[in-house]
Amino acid sequence: DQQVKQNSPSLSVQEGRISILNCDYTNSMFDYFLWYKKYPAEGPTFLISISSIKDKNEDGRFTVFLNKSAKHLSLHIVPSQPGDSAVYFCAASEGGAQKLVFGQGTRLTINP
Amino acid sequence: DTAVSQTPKYLVTQMGNDKSIKCEQNLGHDTMYWYKQDSKKFLKIMFSYNNKELIINETVPNRFSPKSPDKAHLNLHINSLELGDSAVYFCASSQDPNGSGRRTDTQYFGPGTRLTVL
Repeated sequence: DQQVKQNSPSLSVQEGRISILNCDYTNSMFDYFLWYKKYPAEGPTFLISISSIKDKNEDGRFTVFLNKSAKHLSLHIVPSQPGDSAVYFCAASEGGAQKLVFGQGTRLTINP
Repeated sequence: DTAVSQTPKYLVTQMGNDKSIKCEQNLGHDTMYWYKQDSKKFLKIMFSYNNKELIINETVPNRFSPKSPDKAHLNLHINSLELGDSAVYFCASSQDPNGSGRRTDTQYFGPGTRLTVL
């Protein structure tokens, strides 16, 4: 029973355009959400996070939106750059717990 | 100056063998983790140690035993390796920012160890 799902295994976007990565969750007790970025042969690196008391968090080109009623979050990258090509993982935790539940990742490819 | 390091990066071994993967972090963090990324690419937590004490122990076969000699190290020992153990194993660490026990801290990951059991 996968509690965090990323239904798009891959996404291709033209350089300069907006990339939108989506994530759905089923556990209504999740109250903290994170996005990680992973390059080949490296570990995931933290990108941006959001608490359930907010519906938006922005950091430079990256914005995360949270829709609690729909149990959905999304990561917007604008403008997309070639260096953004990577696998993006959505993760969630419950009650400040240390246990992160990850989605299966979306491979983003930015085309020149 | 690697923050979270793992050795070896690649490990190929026969079924039935016993092997260890080492993890070290130089961030001064108080909590370390082991994750398994399976063939379907899901990252799933296996164990978590806080100050050398086991705090998360997911449903993992008891052939897997984490060992934390000190706060900066969390090694993973696997006995009687099976084909299904083939995966990428990631170590991670984090620090409770204010000691409140309620954590929203970021986890920092190592580069991963690709284990192949033949």
